[in-house]
Amino acid sequence: QVQLQESGPRLVKPSETLSLTCTVSGGSIRDYYWSWIRQPPGEGLEWIGLIYFTGNTYYNSSLRSRVTISVDTSKNQVSLSLHSVTAADTAVYYCARAPAWPTGTKFDYWGPGTLVTVSS
Amino acid sequence: DIQMTQSPSSLSASVGDRVTITCQASRDITNNLNWYQQKPGKAPKLLMYDASNLETGVPSRFSGSGSGTLFTLSISGLQPEDFATYFCQQYDSLPPTFGGGTKVDIK
Repeated sequence: QVQLQESGPRLVKPSETLSLTCTVSGGSIRDYYWSWIRQPPGEGLEWIGLIYFTGNTYYNSSLRSRVTISVDTSKNQVSLSLHSVTAADTAVYYCARAPAWPTGTKFDYWGPGTLVTVSS
Repeated sequence: DIQMTQSPSSLSASVGDRVTITCQASRDITNNLNWYQQKPGKAPKLLMYDASNLETGVPSRFSGSGSGTLFTLSISGLQPEDFATYFCQQYDSLPPTFGGGTKVDIK
């Protein structure tokens, strides 16, 4: 059974960089697409971006200037960096697996999510 | 970006009821739509893909229909474990976008 687990600092100061790691266990990171999705408290879901195990990335244009997603196949990890954060970036951040992209994109496995608060 | 509008935003129902949730896309997305269930404090769970296909392990009381711009998720015979928030998600056009959610709670 594939499992995803997000990890990283829960509190980030405004203007700094939010950094999270998603560790995949129970399966290989290869041959799949790995996405970051966030959900502000009490709000809906926003897709941030996605990476293939080869390193090809796709970002939401609304965040592209501030986002970097990377992959480490040796560690079965995907990482997210979000630069110059503000309070509006406070959210639960999820990593999720997509078996296909962009045709047939469905997120079939998700991590439990981690709440990141941006505050001084 | 394609806007996804769900209705209602919340509803109250009883165990055993049939519940229908609607998701409307801002433009034609053919059948490129998924449905997720989210319980408080938990990650979303994929229920339906390609508008009407049941994800493995999801009970058959869940069904999805629609194409173009209008889609529905139905739950026939609501069970206690079905009280949750439901989201639709389109993948016809980048970026993938989600509906605002429909919260189903106990009447």
